[in-house]
Amino acid sequence: AQSVTQLGSHVSVSEGALVLLRCNYSSSVPPYLFWYVQYPNQGLQLLLKYTSAATLVKGINGFEAEFKKSETSFHLTKPSAHMSDAAEYFCAVSDNTDKLIFGTGTRLQVFP
Amino acid sequence: ETGVTQTPRHLVMGMTNKKSLKCEQHLGHNAMYWYKQSAKKPLELMFVYNFKEQTENNSVPSRFSPECPNSSHLFLHLHTLQPEDSALYLCASSSSSGLELFFGSGTQLSVL
Repeated sequence: AQSVTQLGSHVSVSEGALVLLRCNYSSSVPPYLFWYVQYPNQGLQLLLKYTSAATLVKGINGFEAEFKKSETSFHLTKPSAHMSDAAEYFCAVSDNTDKLIFGTGTRLQVFP
Repeated sequence: ETGVTQTPRHLVMGMTNKKSLKCEQHLGHNAMYWYKQSAKKPLELMFVYNFKEQTENNSVPSRFSPECPNSSHLFLHLHTLQPEDSALYLCASSSSSGLELFFGSGTQLSVL
């Protein structure tokens, strides 16, 4: 069975600081991995996805994530946080079926 | 209209009421999904439809009844709900490859 663990339900950073949101996965098959973002009162929007090509994946809004098989991780990073990055971020895993398993989410706060 | 549209945005209902949530996608996708989002819990996959056929029912109580009349429309019929069913209900769609979900803004449901 597949699962996703997001370490830290809340992360706070200062504007301009590095953003690091952690995600570890468990999968019995080579996984497809995703990061979604949810702004207040909205649905989820895809930030980036890993589908067995390059291990470093670049997404929208300056975010990127690196697939590390040895660590079963897919952490999300951004070099410099903006106030507009404040949102909830969800990591998800799929085995290329129509099922996407989500983590519990990490709420990112950005302080001026 | 583009993307995935959900109506209503907010719904308050008593435990004896019957109501329906509506989802419409304008992306030409073949798969549609219902997810339940509760505070501090992972997104819960409820139902999956592929080409109008239900392919997943994730042990959802019978008081939730999905309907998919065509690939563009998805309904969730609600009856005799419980207060613990209060949550944000998200609809999503994807192409037949199922690798990326496109979400609506959700219906915030409160059961009194």
